[in-house]
Amino acid sequence: GAVVSQHPSRVICKSGTSVKIECRSLDFQATTMFWYRQFPKQSLMLMATSNEGSKATYEQGVEKDKFLINHASLTLSTLTVTSAHPEDSSFYICSAAWLAGPYEQYFGPGTRLTVT
Amino acid sequence: AQSVAQPEDQVNVAEGNPLTVKCTYSVSGNPYLFWYVQYPNRGLQFLLKYITGDNLVKGSYGFEAEFNKSQTSFHLKKPSALVSDSALYFCAVRDRGNTNAGKSTFGDGTTLTVKP
Repeated sequence: GAVVSQHPSRVICKSGTSVKIECRSLDFQATTMFWYRQFPKQSLMLMATSNEGSKATYEQGVEKDKFLINHASLTLSTLTVTSAHPEDSSFYICSAAWLAGPYEQYFGPGTRLTVT
Repeated sequence: AQSVAQPEDQVNVAEGNPLTVKCTYSVSGNPYLFWYVQYPNRGLQFLLKYITGDNLVKGSYGFEAEFNKSQTSFHLKKPSALVSDSALYFCAVRDRGNTNAGKSTFGDGTTLTVKP
């Protein structure tokens, strides 16, 4: 099956700094990537949908200036958490899909962000 | 609009017994339906999907699900549970008319615990 990687798997940063998370599709070209946030024992919260070469579409309530998403190529999308605060601490998961491909999404292993 | 409900936060079952994890959905058109599984501190893994055809679909690890259009349900089942099946399970739906590649709506998840 299709493989999606995320880096880093775990990051600790200080309040006020920015953190970049990378999501890569390793064996397919992802026309669409999704970024989710997951709180402990809770569901996935879709943050944004990004299509290669165009601006991301953010879900209601997600600050686009705080969570910068770039999908510069068909195999790479990045999420940058700017000026991170402790309330941004969470598990961030990306997933990928492609037009004319299988209908399901393929998920990365997730990134645990802790802001101190 | 599309939505999905998983009415049970938690399902407990003894090893060797059959298990069912419930899911109901709502879409304006016809649905694509999915089940994903998440192990602790990991991303989601695709289990199975209903796209068209036979209402009973079989997936990974011995799981199956039945699409019931009249009841708008897509319950996940397994004839004999294993302790290793203990995980968080997500049902997802996508309206066939949704042109966003892969974009689905996820339920809140059901924690399955299989006891020896």
